[in-house]
Amino acid sequence: DQQVKQNSPSLSVQEGRISILNCDYTNSMFDYFLWYKKYPAEGPTFLISISSIKDKNEDGRFTVFLNKSAKHLSLHIVPSQPGDSAVYFCAASVGENNNDMRFGAGTRLTVKP
Amino acid sequence: DTGVSQDPRHKITKRGQNVTFRCDPISEHNRLYWYRQTLGQGPEFLTYFQNEAQLEKSRLLSDRFSAERPKGSFSTLEIQRTEQGDSAMYLCAIRGAGGYEQYFGPGTRLTVT
Repeated sequence: DQQVKQNSPSLSVQEGRISILNCDYTNSMFDYFLWYKKYPAEGPTFLISISSIKDKNEDGRFTVFLNKSAKHLSLHIVPSQPGDSAVYFCAASVGENNNDMRFGAGTRLTVKP
Repeated sequence: DTGVSQDPRHKITKRGQNVTFRCDPISEHNRLYWYRQTLGQGPEFLTYFQNEAQLEKSRLLSDRFSAERPKGSFSTLEIQRTEQGDSAMYLCAIRGAGGYEQYFGPGTRLTVT
């Protein structure tokens, strides 16, 4: 069962513009959400996270927004840079013991110079 | 550098053979996780260890799979009688000291011919 969904397999944006990656989830018990970035031949790299008590978390060029009522989160990258080109995964877990973290299928972001 | 190394990085084996992968966290971490990632999908949870104790296994972990963490440091994942469907990237992760995020190693890519 796909509890975390990333419906856009790919996204292409121009350098300097905003990239918006979206993620939807179905399990209302999820209370911690993370974004990972993955380059080819490497493992996923942790990017940013948000707990369900917040609706926004910002770290430099990266901002994650959480809409609990819509069971939707998004990652904004501003400004986008060519080095941001990678596959982005959203993930979700229930509670502090995130041993069964669920991942979406990923969105491939391409930032064109 | 996430502080997690995995060996080997690539493994090609014939169907029916046994394979073993190793995960080495650089420093001590209580929790260690194994994931499997197939093409076009996000990582899927397989199992996790709290120190040397294997506390949870996914239904994806069939009887042909076994994982160990004998001294609470490095971990091994063995697949017996490999099948073509076992072809995937096998990822090891550790939990961050202060938060909920997990940090992944570079993975072992298994190809079963």
